[in-house]
Amino acid sequence: AQKVTQAQTEISVVEKEDVTLDCVYETRDTTYYLFWYKQPPSGELVFLIRRNSFDEQNEISGRYSWNFQKSTSSFNFTITASQVVDSAVYFCALTPALNIAGGTSYGKLTFGQGTILTVHP
Amino acid sequence: DAGVIQSPRHEVTEMGQEVTLRCKPISGHDYLFWYRQTMMRGLELLIYFNNNVPIDDSGMPEDRFSAKMPNASFSTLKIQPSEPRDSAVYFCASSFGPEKGLWNYGYTFGSGTRLTVV
Repeated sequence: AQKVTQAQTEISVVEKEDVTLDCVYETRDTTYYLFWYKQPPSGELVFLIRRNSFDEQNEISGRYSWNFQKSTSSFNFTITASQVVDSAVYFCALTPALNIAGGTSYGKLTFGQGTILTVHP
Repeated sequence: DAGVIQSPRHEVTEMGQEVTLRCKPISGHDYLFWYRQTMMRGLELLIYFNNNVPIDDSGMPEDRFSAKMPNASFSTLKIQPSEPRDSAVYFCASSFGPEKGLWNYGYTFGSGTRLTVV
């Protein structure tokens, strides 16, 4: 069974602060994908990043960076110099990458409970 | 590409009525997923299709829920009869599968349908 845990239910910061959102996952699959999605107040789910389990390189995209550590089953997300527009719910998610023989687990994107980030001006 | 298109955006219906939610996936994507988001249960997978064939419907809450994908460009999620506890945001998502290369894999979500059953 897969499980994604986002221990931080809510985080509140002041603009320009750095903030890290934690994500810890559990899976028995050897090949899997990890995702981060943003859900702004308007409600849509916006794709931020996909990471393959065999690629442990960290990634930076503008003010966003992701730290993937397979040894600790974590995939943390850092926003540098936060802005009010970053206020949203952020979801970490996991799915197996390939079909398991005899099973149908492929495609089951398991989400964490989400972290509500509020950035105050 | 217009992305994944869901309709309607909002639906308010009375308990006992039939509700049909619609989804048009991204052209060329061969996987389609239906998710439900509630405060209590978060985001949960209801059912998904591969090449229009339902692969796993173990997340469908009960027989009142049914989903179809008659062709590659259209899917429906039907609730009959609807109940107040079905009130939620229903998302449709589509993706390429690993058969087309692992590097292509990624979900695109629609804007969701907010269903309220009174």
